[in-house]
Amino acid sequence: GAVVSQHPSRVICKSGTSVKIECRSLDFQATTMFWYRQFPKQSLMLMATSNEGSKATYEQGVEKDKFLINHASLTLSTLTVTSAHPEDSSFYICSARIGGRAGGNEQFFGPGTRLTVL
Amino acid sequence: KQEVTQIPAALSVPEGENLVLNCSFTDSAIYNLQWFRQDPGKGLTSLLLIQSSQREQTSGRLNASLDKSSGRSTLYIAASQPGDSATYLCAVRPISGGYQKVTFGIGTKLQVIP
Repeated sequence: GAVVSQHPSRVICKSGTSVKIECRSLDFQATTMFWYRQFPKQSLMLMATSNEGSKATYEQGVEKDKFLINHASLTLSTLTVTSAHPEDSSFYICSARIGGRAGGNEQFFGPGTRLTVL
Repeated sequence: KQEVTQIPAALSVPEGENLVLNCSFTDSAIYNLQWFRQDPGKGLTSLLLIQSSQREQTSGRLNASLDKSSGRSTLYIAASQPGDSATYLCAVRPISGGYQKVTFGIGTKLQVIP
């Protein structure tokens, strides 16, 4: 099956710093990637849709200036949490779907990144 | 707005037992429903995907059913093993809106006791 990786798997940072999380599709091209956030004992909530070569689409309530998304290639999307605060501490998960008609209907998820802001 | 509920929130069973996890959704206008497994601190692993036109899907010891009209899906795990211990999530994709509108349940945390 298709593999999606994330880096880093875990990051601890001081309040006010910026953190970049990478999401890569390892064996397929992903025209669209999705960024989710999961708080403890809550369901995954979509933050934004990342489209290769264009601006990301953010869900209601997600600050686009705080969560910068770049999808520079068909295999890489990055999420930068700018000026992180303790309330940004969460589990961030990306997913991707294979582009085109052969892509099917499945989403493939990365292993997640645990962000802790002190 | 679609709401996805999973019952029970947690389940503990002895090894070897067959079990059923439930997922219900409020809007039956779905494109597909997907069951995932999530290990602690890890991402999601897709288990089964059921298209709206399908009634069930099987993979090994797993069987997922879908009753779209009643807004229900079940995940049946046969002969449970300690390695099955994880949180199981169901996710519903609507007919309109694409992946952006996928709604996840909170999950059922399963513990299989050796």
